[in-house]
Amino acid sequence: NAGVTQTPKFRVLKTGQSMTLLCAQDMNHEYMYWYRQDPGMGLRLIHYSVGEGTTAKGEVPDGYNVSRLKKQNFLLGLESAAPSQTSVYFCASSYGGVNQETQYFGPGTRLLVL
Amino acid sequence: DQQVKQNSPSLSVQEGRISILNCDYTNSMFDYFLWYKKYPAEGPTFLISISSIKDKNEDGRFTVFLNKSAKHLSLHIVPSQPGDSAVYFCAASELRYRHRFQGGSEKLVFGKGTKLTVNP
Repeated sequence: NAGVTQTPKFRVLKTGQSMTLLCAQDMNHEYMYWYRQDPGMGLRLIHYSVGEGTTAKGEVPDGYNVSRLKKQNFLLGLESAAPSQTSVYFCASSYGGVNQETQYFGPGTRLLVL
Repeated sequence: DQQVKQNSPSLSVQEGRISILNCDYTNSMFDYFLWYKKYPAEGPTFLISISSIKDKNEDGRFTVFLNKSAKHLSLHIVPSQPGDSAVYFCAASELRYRHRFQGGSEKLVFGKGTKLTVNP
């Protein structure tokens, strides 16, 4: 049982390049989330999904797209990377039922945009 | 506008003493609160939670207290150990999301974190 895994662990991009971050969970969770963490800013929600085939915007969605084609996977895409997207990205998942708010996080992806 | 606030960016305590981490919130609709611990280069890990129907929840050395009238919660670690040194995030979820999605809330609002250092 690996929990939540993220690929890649670290990436350097040039401004304007695109990339996809992959999140996978093996806990059969319905809900999945993408956050970014910046110094002094805590965790901010980018996009989330409440089930396979569904996605919704979070607090800071601009510049990102997501897809949830399979229940266990949640992809975060950057179509044209900008230096402001330099951050650590965390994926999380949860069951989503009543009193099931606990989210389980992956180890993070560190992204540097030059 | 920050709905969840952790006003102390850092806290330093001696091993064996009590650590008290504080969190304030402004949204009266929050009804479930969680604490996460985060080590460098790792993802946050769930520590303890409390529902708004309770005012205290214990799990070993960790106790969370909730004061709804003051919109304040705190995490007590007794006794503190060097391995507790980490960043602690407070998070909250809102009742209306629970109803809207026929069950669980899909959104947690996080504070900015408090870095705890436990000195040997």
